Amino acid sequence: QQPVQSPQAVILREGEDAVINCSSSKALYSVHWYRQKHGEAPVFLMILLKGGEQKGHEKISASFNEKKQQSSLYLTASQLSYSGTYFCGTENGYGQNFVFGPGTRLSVLP
Amino acid sequence: EAGVAQSPRYKIIEKRQSVAFWCNPISGHATLYWYQQILGQGPKLLIQFQNNGVVDDSQLPKDRFSAERLKGVDSTLKIQPAKLEDSAVYLCASSPRVGLPYEQYFGPGTRLTVT
Repeated sequence: QQPVQSPQAVILREGEDAVINCSSSKALYSVHWYRQKHGEAPVFLMILLKGGEQKGHEKISASFNEKKQQSSLYLTASQLSYSGTYFCGTENGYGQNFVFGPGTRLSVLP
Repeated sequence: EAGVAQSPRYKIIEKRQSVAFWCNPISGHATLYWYQQILGQGPKLLIQFQNNGVVDDSQLPKDRFSAERLKGVDSTLKIQPAKLEDSAVYLCASSPRVGLPYEQYFGPGTRLTVT
């Protein structure tokens, strides 16, 4: 079942903050976050694992509430390069049955 | 390290024709994914291989789509016959781990237009 993302779209000025939410009606074992720029392939941002382990390689933070089956991605002091569509993804705990959410389109204006 | 390679990058065919896409994952990556991304939507998983075995093909329209991964390395995805609704970007991704959630590395995709 596809996770739900909110908001669908957000427009920011450079330097502003944004939060993107991802929720699921089924138990989450991990939440993956990807960013996709127009005409390009998705690029990995972060994985949050059940139990608190977090793997990522960009200066973007996220939280994972296992009880609420929700995750939030925090973009602080946004830059123009943050523009793109952000997707969360979930799987069954064994790296299988991967499902992406519908995406949140983020536009950062100068 | 070379990334995930896909070819062709673009393909235009008429409905009822057949088409094949090729993917070469990052060297040593055990897991390979094929996704279909329709404009404005998130990628939809079509099939997942671990080495050369299929672990998930629940959303693959098996009456027209087929995929194989030769010797656990590169992979082909075929559509026969194509329908108008197959117009999409087909993304290939690979991951180094088996049985664990891990980051996926995506190729540039193949944009298919069915007329």
